[in-house]
Amino acid sequence: QQQVKQSPQSLIVQKGGIPIINCAYENTAFDYFPWYQQFPGKGPALLIAIRPDVSEKKEGRFTISFNKSAKQFSLHIMDSQPGDSATYFCAASMSNYQLIWGAGTKLIIKP
Amino acid sequence: NAGVTQTPKFQVLKTGQSMTLQCAQDMNHEYMSWYRQDPGMGLRLIHYSVGAGITDQGEVPNGYNVSRSTTEDFPLRLLSAAPSQTSVYFCASRKGFGTEAFFGQGTRLTVV
Repeated sequence: QQQVKQSPQSLIVQKGGIPIINCAYENTAFDYFPWYQQFPGKGPALLIAIRPDVSEKKEGRFTISFNKSAKQFSLHIMDSQPGDSATYFCAASMSNYQLIWGAGTKLIIKP
Repeated sequence: NAGVTQTPKFQVLKTGQSMTLQCAQDMNHEYMSWYRQDPGMGLRLIHYSVGAGITDQGEVPNGYNVSRSTTEDFPLRLLSAAPSQTSVYFCASRKGFGTEAFFGQGTRLTVV
């Protein structure tokens, strides 16, 4: 019940396309859902986060869509660029507990 | 502003050796944690601390010890290195639960 399932494991998209990464969770007590971006040789860095009282949040070209009833949330990258090539992690937590991490998605944007 | 600093960046150990991975943050964050990252397995929590003098186990604590004597420092000790501990280790700090986690650059550890 503490797991966060992330898919796909890897994704290749042409420049300008819209990659979509999905995550699903079971614990309805989760109330914080961040996405982290990690470049090779670096630590993960927060990209965007959402709380369950909203269904969508946009920051620049990055959008989180949140479906509370389905217990799913997804990351969309608009007008993707080769510089977006990285590993993306979703996570979830309750307000007084640890971050539970998805397994990660390796995204490659082809020029 | 240095953020989270981890040392060393790379380390090779022989089986049975011990070592300490250092982690320091300058953001006055109460919450610090250690993760290991293995291919296809995401980030797995080893140990965490919610303040100086307070530590607790995460998902994969066996073979590792931690202490938190100051707010700034959170070292991770490998007691007797094993090949299964070959991994990339990340230290992270946060102001509190449900807030942004800041990660160090990582330590790539190989145990032979």
